[in-house]
Amino acid sequence: GIQVEQSPPDLILQEGANSTLRCNFSDSVNNLQWFHQNPWGQLINLFYIPSGTKQNGRLSATTVATERYSLLYISSSQTTDSGVYFCAVRGNAGNMLTFGGGTRLMVKP
Amino acid sequence: NAGVTQTPKFQVLKTGQSMTLQCAQDMNHNSMYWYRQDPGMGLRLIYYSASEGTTDKGEVPNGYNVSRLNKREFSLRLESAAPSQTSVYFCASSPARGAFFGQGTRLTVV
Repeated sequence: GIQVEQSPPDLILQEGANSTLRCNFSDSVNNLQWFHQNPWGQLINLFYIPSGTKQNGRLSATTVATERYSLLYISSSQTTDSGVYFCAVRGNAGNMLTFGGGTRLMVKP
Repeated sequence: NAGVTQTPKFQVLKTGQSMTLQCAQDMNHNSMYWYRQDPGMGLRLIYYSASEGTTDKGEVPNGYNVSRLNKREFSLRLESAAPSQTSVYFCASSPARGAFFGQGTRLTVV
């Protein structure tokens, strides 16, 4: 099946700093999403972005499907951004939605 | 509009007991999924259903069975629970674009 790798696995930021999270995948995809899992365990949809660029407030994401990677940008980070960020993809060849291992982000005040 | 609803939210089982985790979605999505998330880990796919009447194994299906009862409901059954199945279980449903998750079921097997 499709392989999904996220980097870095852990990230510690000072409040106000910017960061870039990366998601690499091993095959063509028709579905790519970024999720934020908050400290209570809830999975929150951030972006549906199988290709192109989207922005939502301080967050933006870019997927370069031909090169099989996606980036999530967090600007002016806040303590409420802490949690785990997951990338999930569905390959063109099937229906499985596969998650990466996540990036655990801690934003310090 | 409830989205994806999982029951129960918490459960403690003794080793060898059986139980069924329920999941229902009201968004008319074709695809539904069951995942488990162990502490500090990502989500691993147990089973999925691309449409009513079909189910397929995911990455970690051993020890589990599923039923796609109708388009709305997708249940996960543990026939003989083991401590290794202690985890948080998430159900998801997916249209052609995106996926939506339930709140999770925290299961402890003692």
